[in-house]
Amino acid sequence: NAGVMQNPRHLVRRRGQEARLRCSPMKGHSHVYWYRQLPEEGLKFMVYLQKENIIDESGMPKERFSAEFPKEGPSILRIQQVVRGDSAAYFCASSPSLEVYNEQFFGPGTRLTVL
Amino acid sequence: GESVGLHLPTLSVQEGDNSIINCAYSNSASDYFIWYKQESGKGPQFIIDIRSNMDKRQGQRVTVLLNKTVKHLSLQIAATQPGDSAVYFCAEKVKEYGNKLVFGAGTILRVKS
Repeated sequence: NAGVMQNPRHLVRRRGQEARLRCSPMKGHSHVYWYRQLPEEGLKFMVYLQKENIIDESGMPKERFSAEFPKEGPSILRIQQVVRGDSAAYFCASSPSLEVYNEQFFGPGTRLTVL
Repeated sequence: GESVGLHLPTLSVQEGDNSIINCAYSNSASDYFIWYKQESGKGPQFIIDIRSNMDKRQGQRVTVLLNKTVKHLSLQIAATQPGDSAVYFCAEKVKEYGNKLVFGAGTILRVKS
């Protein structure tokens, strides 16, 4: 059973470009979470999605950032007009249900560097 | 701001010794706590969890202790091995706030051979 997959693993963008990060949850998981991690810091929650629905986006900046989890295909975190401050590791996690005691399984992350 | 924090940013232990990593949290409504291990260049890996109605939970070589009175969580690793070297994060969940995890800043564990 494959774990959470993320791609690309490394992404370099120039200021003003767009970044698209993809996440395929574990098989059978319909809940996806995105977190951001700055160097030597803990992960910070960004957004929580179920298939075709955004459940909680309280941690996501209002501008330039968007997320989706379509009926078919991976979840996408999209950052428009990237700035240097967007450089970070972005992790996706998935869980099988809403149950609060469910573990979240993390992917290997996408390391975004903005030049 | 963060409701979860760690006392020690770096912990160095000798191989074979026991390690204790501490975590303070500020939200008394937290229902669920998880310890994650993160190796360089990888995503967080689940180690052990504990619900708020428990004081202690044991796994293989790891024990988590929860003291709700002082809002303190600890991870004990027995017979620490070089492969345990990593950054350790505690994370909490508050049921009424949904499924998001709130992470602490992390503790670096270095195991000396």
